[in-house]
Amino acid sequence: NAGVTQTPKFRILKIGQSMTLQCTQDMNHNYMYWYRQDPGMGLKLIYYSVGAGITDKGEVPNGYNVSRSTTEDFPLRLELAAPSQTSVYFCASSILYEQYFGPGTRLTVT
Amino acid sequence: GESVGLHLPTLSVQEGDNSIINCAYSNSASDYFIWYKQESGKGPQFIIDIRSNMDKRQGQRVTVLLNKTVKHLSLQIAATQPGDSAVYFCAEISSNDYKLSFGAGTTVTVRA
Repeated sequence: NAGVTQTPKFRILKIGQSMTLQCTQDMNHNYMYWYRQDPGMGLKLIYYSVGAGITDKGEVPNGYNVSRSTTEDFPLRLELAAPSQTSVYFCASSILYEQYFGPGTRLTVT
Repeated sequence: GESVGLHLPTLSVQEGDNSIINCAYSNSASDYFIWYKQESGKGPQFIIDIRSNMDKRQGQRVTVLLNKTVKHLSLQIAATQPGDSAVYFCAEISSNDYKLSFGAGTTVTVRA
């Protein structure tokens, strides 16, 4: 099992550009999550999904969108990038309590 | 809102000594607590968990203690090794929605 994979590893965006962060898991987990981690801080939940076709907002959803068309994939979309979205983004999946995290995407918006 | 936090942002430990990392939580409705380890440039990695109806759980070189009276959680690492250098997060979760709430983290540095 590859676990949770994320692409790209790094990305630099200009203000106003759009991009999609990809997340795939091969563990057949129903629950998937997107977090952002700012320097020296803990993780904050952006969006989560309890299964294909079902998504819900987390603590900091503004400026982001998600979709969940399959069990395996949970992409995160940034429509109009802003400097405040500079962060490291982690995707995670779980069956119940134990969440498995991907390696992260480091995003810089300038 | 309610949140989980850690007492100290940094901890320096001599190799071979035991480490104790503390965490205070405020949400008495949480029924599950997890400790994660995050090494530089990587995602968080599960270490150990404990249910709210327990007060102690042991793993390999790690022990988690839960004191519900004072809403305190701790992680003890025995015989700390250089590979234990990382940021440690406690997190709480409710069975209502399986959403994790993280504290800010404690950076552990192991001195040779």
